[in-house]
Amino acid sequence: EAQVTQNPRYLITVTGKKLTVTCSQNMNHEYMSWYRQDPGLGLRQIYYSMNVEVTDKGDVPEGYKVSRKEKRNFPLILESPSPNQTSLYFCASSFGRQGRNYGYTFGSGTRLTVV
Amino acid sequence: GESVGLHLPTLSVQEGDNSIINCAYSNSASDYFIWYKQESGKGPQFIIDIRSNMDKRQGQRVTVLLNKTVKHLSLQIAATQPGDSAVYFCAENRAGNMLTFGGGTRLMVKP
Repeated sequence: EAQVTQNPRYLITVTGKKLTVTCSQNMNHEYMSWYRQDPGLGLRQIYYSMNVEVTDKGDVPEGYKVSRKEKRNFPLILESPSPNQTSLYFCASSFGRQGRNYGYTFGSGTRLTVV
Repeated sequence: GESVGLHLPTLSVQEGDNSIINCAYSNSASDYFIWYKQESGKGPQFIIDIRSNMDKRQGQRVTVLLNKTVKHLSLQIAATQPGDSAVYFCAENRAGNMLTFGGGTRLMVKP
């Protein structure tokens, strides 16, 4: 089944403790992206990648890191999580054609709580 | 399920009626638009898309209308069913990889 898989689905952590949320897609998509979703603020892009070893900041990159060493994986790293990073996170992937993103396939989400 | 928005506009319709969900976009340079559906506890799911060289596109029970003059997009759902209850987002593609999402509308279907 074609899908984007995120892990974990739920995570509670403490301020300052490094964590990684994994994301993997099995559709050979070039583009991958991380979004966070907060009440009243909608979906905001954190980072995106247009191919292996190519990453760029989205609208809200502060406090996050990503890497794209392989085409299928795009982990989101929080080096020192803070309570304002408590949110619902989505990984997404898509084909890119001529530099155009024709719509993401989203994972099921990761609910992160930082206390 | 996961809460996706506590202050979303809400549209309440009777089962079997048609639904119209609206979206205003901001950038006149956007030339590709997508509607997503998000059910409780799930990620957004692609419904239908439209390019700016079209003003209407139809899918199965869904129609998207694009009015570039007033930068307005709408999603029409025919014969709305309980399974259509969800939050609906429009997204615009401004350049390259960037997809920018609207705030979302919650659709509630009354049996």
